[in-house]
Amino acid sequence: GNSVTQMEGPVTLSEEAFLTINCTYTATGYPSLFWYVQYPGEGLQLLLKATKADDKGSNKGFEATYRKETTSFHLEKGSVQVSDSAVYFCASQGNDMRFGAGTRLTVKP
Amino acid sequence: EAGVTQFPSHSVIEKGQTVTLRCDPISGHDNLYWYRRVMGKEIKFLLHFVKESKQDESGMPNNRFLAERTGGTYSTLKVQPAELEDSGVYFCASSPFQFTGELFFGEGSRLTVL
Repeated sequence: GNSVTQMEGPVTLSEEAFLTINCTYTATGYPSLFWYVQYPGEGLQLLLKATKADDKGSNKGFEATYRKETTSFHLEKGSVQVSDSAVYFCASQGNDMRFGAGTRLTVKP
Repeated sequence: EAGVTQFPSHSVIEKGQTVTLRCDPISGHDNLYWYRRVMGKEIKFLLHFVKESKQDESGMPNNRFLAERTGGTYSTLKVQPAELEDSGVYFCASSPFQFTGELFFGEGSRLTVL
């Protein structure tokens, strides 16, 4: 079956710093890949997705590229803001959706 | 449009007691999923309903867990009897289609078993 492994947190950055959260996947076939975000006091919400190799998902300044050769889908943002503080989950979808352990990001002013 | 709602938001019970969690999906969403996150670990799949039928319940940990979806609308997840290791956050999600990937999540129900 499919699974994902993402870097453990927590991650603490200063405002305007560069962010990378690593995510790798294992799967039979070519799953769709996702990043979900959970802001404090809210449910998970879809941040971005990519459905095939070399696709780049982007939203709110975040980007992730589906890399088949490295089985990765790393999340990046060039300049984080305090409002980006949240827990980020990588996920892959084969027959069902599988999530990583989540990475807590704290951005300090 | 109302989102996915879950109740209760937090439940504290003694080991051996029963707890029932409820999820109201977005109206019209045939697919309903239950997930669990224990102690900051990965969010683990429990089961998937399509309308009132269980499509996949391979993630249910044992027979102390019982999920139902009455008439294809809301769903309940009952834990009976609860054990310490059942503590965690139980998420419900719904979607109109099975394989499009975007799940709409509720805020979760935090269960603490003492």
